[in-house]
Amino acid sequence: GENVEQHPSTLSVQEGDSAVIKCTYSDSASNYFPWYKQELGKRPQLIIDIRSNVGEKKDQRIAVTLNKTAKHFSLHITETQPEDSAVYFCAAPATGANNLFFGTGTRLTVIP
Amino acid sequence: GAGVSQSPRYKVAKRGQDVALRCDPISGHVSLFWYQQALGQGPEFLTYFQNEAQLDKSGLPSDRFFAERPEGSVSTLKIQRTQQEDSAVYLCASSLGGAGDTGELFFGEGSRLTVL
Repeated sequence: GENVEQHPSTLSVQEGDSAVIKCTYSDSASNYFPWYKQELGKRPQLIIDIRSNVGEKKDQRIAVTLNKTAKHFSLHITETQPEDSAVYFCAAPATGANNLFFGTGTRLTVIP
Repeated sequence: GAGVSQSPRYKVAKRGQDVALRCDPISGHVSLFWYQQALGQGPEFLTYFQNEAQLDKSGLPSDRFFAERPEGSVSTLKIQRTQQEDSAVYLCASSLGGAGDTGELFFGEGSRLTVL
């Protein structure tokens, strides 16, 4: 099955700075890479995703980049705000299946 | 409702008791997933349904875990003879597409199970 590794496990940034979280995956056939945000005690929610036919996707302050050759993808958050503080999970699909394998999460703290 | 609904939100069980966790997915969503999330960890896949068919149960940790979705809508995750290591948040998620149509998962708030 797919093996997804995520780092760092914790990240603290000053408000207004950028944050970058990286994930690697093992299955070269994977073609869909979402990022989920989970606030304390809440459900995970999709914030951005990318499919393997593009290398980058942006949505306001959030962007995801994909390097299929190296089998890694990254989440970039610019101009961070305190409400960005949460745990972020990357994920990749199992081969030929719908279920996602999730990384272990990155706890982002934005310091006002 | 507009989202995925799970009940109960919190469940405390004595070791050895059976528990049943319910998931009401978004209406019309073909795919339904159960995940287990231990404290400080990412969601771990348990099982997947496409309509009423259980297509993948490879993540169920033991034969004490059983899931069903008999009419292709509401799903129940049952854990028999609960053990302390079963303590976790059980997340249900649904998505619009079927097998091979990977897309956004819509998660419920989860059922937090504590086994004493």
